[in-house]
This record gives sequence, C-alpha cells and structure tokens, in this order.
Amino acid sequence: AQKVTQAQTEISVVEKEDVTLDCVYETRDTTYYLFWYKQPPSGELVFLIRRNSFDEQNEISGRYSWNFQKSTSSFNFTITASQVVDSAVYFCAFKGSARQLTFGSGTQLTVLP
Amino acid sequence: DAGITQSPRYKITETGRQVTLMCHQTWSHSYMFWYRQDLGHGLRLIYYSAAADITDKGEVPDGYVVSRSKTENFPLTLESATRSQTSVYFCASSETGTSGGTDTQYFGPGTRLTVL
Repeated sequence: AQKVTQAQTEISVVEKEDVTLDCVYETRDTTYYLFWYKQPPSGELVFLIRRNSFDEQNEISGRYSWNFQKSTSSFNFTITASQVVDSAVYFCAFKGSARQLTFGSGTQLTVLP
Repeated sequence: DAGITQSPRYKITETGRQVTLMCHQTWSHSYMFWYRQDLGHGLRLIYYSAAADITDKGEVPDGYVVSRSKTENFPLTLESATRSQTSVYFCASSETGTSGGTDTQYFGPGTRLTVL
C-alpha cells in the first residue's frame, strides 16, 4: 500500500524567509506520480505540480521549486522569499497503480508579516 | 469556463436525514471522485467513477451512495446521515485515470456538511 508522510504539521516563518516542506512516500510501484496541492484559507484545493517517477529533474516556477529524489523517496517543496499570501495548508499526494490519490496529512504554513 | 462546481457549499442537516451533494464538471472528464476531508485524516476517497454508469468504492464508502447517469454529474448521497459524516466534501475530476496515473485531479470548491 502507498503511504505519504508530511512530518511537518505546522511551520511558521517570517516574510521573505525561504521555507521547505517535506514529503516522503512509500510504494512498491515502479511507475507513479507525485503532486503538490495548496489549500488556502478559503478552502479550495489548488493544483501546483505533478511529477512522474521517471523524471527526477528539479522544477522551478517563480518562487516555487520542487526537489524529487527517488533514492530517498522524497518530493520536497521550497518557497523562496515567502509572502503572506503563501499561508495555506500544503498537501503532497501520490498516485500509483491504484486509481485514487493518496494524500499526506498536510503542512500548515503560516507566513508572518 | 465553470470547471468543476459543487452545491450546496454549506449544509446543515439532522441525524437520520438523507442528503445529496451535487458535483458538476464542464470539462467532459471521464473520471470523477468524491473525497472527505477531516482534521487529522487529510483527504480520503469515498467513491470514484470511471465513466457514466461505472462507479467503484474508495477507502471510506460506508454510509454513502453515488450514481453517474451523465458524464458531467456525480452526486453523492448520504442515505441516513450520522454525526461522524460531518466533514468537508470535495469532488474532483480528471481526464483519465488509467493505471499508472497520468492525469491530474482538479478539485471543486468543497461542501461543508454539518450533521446535528
């Protein structure tokens, strides 16, 4: 069975600090996909990124970057120069041979002004 | 471009009543999903559907019924609501859901259900 662990329940940083959200997964699947979603205080779930198991290239999108390391089964998410609007719950999710997404329990990020 | 919508956004009901939560998507996605979000549990899959008239159970299906007579709609019914079903319910859709998981799931805005 797949498992996604987000060990950081809550993180608090001051604006402009960099912050990394950790995600570790467990699977026996050889082909799988990893995702990050953002849930702002308004409650909706916003898709941020999808990565497949064959592509270990890091990805950067503006202030966001993702580090996928198959060797450590990790898919970490870094926000550079954080802003108050980044405050949200961030979910890591896994999709392998099963139909459904398996979500981590989420990390509550609070960015203080 | 409406995307995926859910109604109602908020619902309060009483134990034992039947409640139906609606989900509608305009993308003609094949796959649709229902999740519930509870503190301490993250999001858990209730049911999903691969196409019209094809549905399957997820992780926590007990107490719920789904149907999918049209591709764009995927209603979730609580036949006899219980307090443990107080939760936030999210509907999602994806273009395909083939084994190996190529497609991203896009989520609706959620329905906050309270069962008294």
